[in-house]
Amino acid sequence: AQSVTQPDIHITVSEGASLELRCNYSYGATPYLFWYVQSPGQGLQLLLKYFSGDTLVQGIKGFEAEFKRSQSSFNLRKPSVHWSDAAEYFCAVGAWGAQKLVFGQGTRLTINP
Amino acid sequence: DTAVSQTPKYLVTQMGNDKSIKCEQNLGHDTMYWYKQDSKKFLKIMFSYNNKELIINETVPNRFSPKSPDKAHLNLHINSLELGDSAVYFCASSPRGEGTEAFFGQGTRLTVV
Repeated sequence: AQSVTQPDIHITVSEGASLELRCNYSYGATPYLFWYVQSPGQGLQLLLKYFSGDTLVQGIKGFEAEFKRSQSSFNLRKPSVHWSDAAEYFCAVGAWGAQKLVFGQGTRLTINP
Repeated sequence: DTAVSQTPKYLVTQMGNDKSIKCEQNLGHDTMYWYKQDSKKFLKIMFSYNNKELIINETVPNRFSPKSPDKAHLNLHINSLELGDSAVYFCASSPRGEGTEAFFGQGTRLTVV
């Protein structure tokens, strides 16, 4: 069965600092991997996705993620965070024929001024 | 133009009542979903529909009955509401059901008192 683990429930970084959010997945076949962001009271917005090809993917809002098959990881990074990046971040995995996404527990990001 | 829209955004109701949440997508997608987000922000698939056909029913109680009158609409009816049903319910759609990215609505916060 598919599963996703986000080891960090809550991360606090200072504005302007770099950010890395961790995501590990478990799936037997080639996964499709996603990062979503949820601002308070809002729905989920897709930041980026990986289906195949280049393992470093660029997304919106200056985010990027790297797929590492050997580590079953898909970590999200941003070189310099802004106060508006404070939100809940979800990693998700899908697959061909799965008809659903499986989400991690989410990581809440707080930005210190 | 809202891509995936749900109504209502907030729903407060008493135990034992029956309520419905409506969802519409104007993206031309074939697949629609209902996800439940609990108080700890954990997101879990409830139902998946592909071209009005139920594909996934993820061990959801019979009190929850989805209905898809056409592929642009997926409604969720809940009978005999219980306290534990309090959550945020998200509708989503995707162009195909093969685990590709989902586009989410803004969510319906259901509170059962």
